[in-house]
Amino acid sequence: EDQVTQSPEALRLQEGESSSLNCSYTVSGLRGLFWYRQDPGKGPEFLFTLYSAGEEKEKERLKATLTKKESFLHITAPKPEDSATYLCAVQAGTASKLTFGTGTRLQVTL
Amino acid sequence: NAGVMQNPRHLVRRRGQEARLRCSPMKGHSHVYWYRQLPEEGLKFMVYLQKENIIDESGMPKERFSAEFPKEGPSILRIQQVVRGDSAAYFCASSPGQLNTGELFFGEGSRLTVL
Repeated sequence: EDQVTQSPEALRLQEGESSSLNCSYTVSGLRGLFWYRQDPGKGPEFLFTLYSAGEEKEKERLKATLTKKESFLHITAPKPEDSATYLCAVQAGTASKLTFGTGTRLQVTL
Repeated sequence: NAGVMQNPRHLVRRRGQEARLRCSPMKGHSHVYWYRQLPEEGLKFMVYLQKENIIDESGMPKERFSAEFPKEGPSILRIQQVVRGDSAAYFCASSPGQLNTGELFFGEGSRLTVL
């Protein structure tokens, strides 16, 4: 069974304090790894897709990287508006569904 | 261009009643996914549908739960004889075709409370 584990569960940063979120996965036949952002009371919002080890994607203060066992979401100089839960998901084998981790709840304070 | 629309946003049911959750995908999208999110847990896949077909229902409980996506109208997730453990947020997502890029478009969810 596909497994996705995210750490830490929660992270509190001061504005401008860079950090990384981790997503480790165990799947058979990875087709893609995805990052989503979820604000309280809202549905997840797509951020990135990574397909193969060594790949990197960037968007504003966020950068996602992928190895054969894990992915990192690096947040550079975060702002309070980056506060959200960040979800990692994988797609494996022939399935169309995504398997999600439980997320990292990020709070950025002034 | 409206996004994925779910209704109702909040639903309260007593044990034993039925709950019907509706999802209208984004315009032009013919693939719908339902996920359930329990407090402090991740999104759990329930079912994947295309118009008039159930493609993957491997995450759907065997009893009381059913889903459909008719040729006309929204996709419906139906929960019969609800129990307290069904209390959760139910999210619908859509994609234009087969999920190749991993980009699902989610609705804002329907929050079911069972008393």
